[in-house]
Amino acid sequence: GIQVEQSPPDLILQEGANSTLRCNFSDSVNNLQWFHQNPWGQLINLFYIPSGTKQNGRLSATTVATERYSLLYISSSQTTDSGVYFCAVYSGGYQKVTFGTGTKLQVIP
Amino acid sequence: GAGVSQSPSNKVTEKGKDVELRCDPISGHTALYWYRQSLGQGLEFLIYFQGNSAPDKSGLPSDRFSAERTGGSVSTLTIQRTQQEDSAVYLCASSSRLTSGSYNEQFFGPGTRLTVL
Repeated sequence: GIQVEQSPPDLILQEGANSTLRCNFSDSVNNLQWFHQNPWGQLINLFYIPSGTKQNGRLSATTVATERYSLLYISSSQTTDSGVYFCAVYSGGYQKVTFGTGTKLQVIP
Repeated sequence: GAGVSQSPSNKVTEKGKDVELRCDPISGHTALYWYRQSLGQGLEFLIYFQGNSAPDKSGLPSDRFSAERTGGSVSTLTIQRTQQEDSAVYLCASSSRLTSGSYNEQFFGPGTRLTVL
């Protein structure tokens, strides 16, 4: 099946710093989604981005489907950005979903 | 409108007992997904429903796991003869289908934390 790898696995940032999270996938996909799992376990939608670039406030995402990767940018990080960031890819005729291994982010004041 | 809801939020059971976990998707969402997240791990896809049909059951870990969906809405995940390794957070998500046949983004419920003693 399709493999989804995220890097880095762990990241510690000083509040106000910027970061880039990466998601690589091993085969063509129909769609890609980024999530933030907060410390209480709730998965929050960030971007649904099969290709191109989207921005939402301090966050933006770029997916280059032909090269099989996606990037999530966090600018001016805040402590509330802490948690685990997952990417998930959709493949196959009936939307099989494969999650990446996640990037655990800790933003310290 | 309401988001995806799941019940119970927590379930503690004894090894060998059966459990039922419930998911109420967002109204109008035709696709429904179940996932499992073990402690400190990523999300493992279990099963996907389009309407009441499950085109892909390949993620169910064993024949002790089953799921059904009725009326194109509520879904129940049943685990029979629970084992300690079944302890995890079980998450449900739903999405709507576009006229093109592709799907919109998934929205997740808060999960059910299952502990098997």
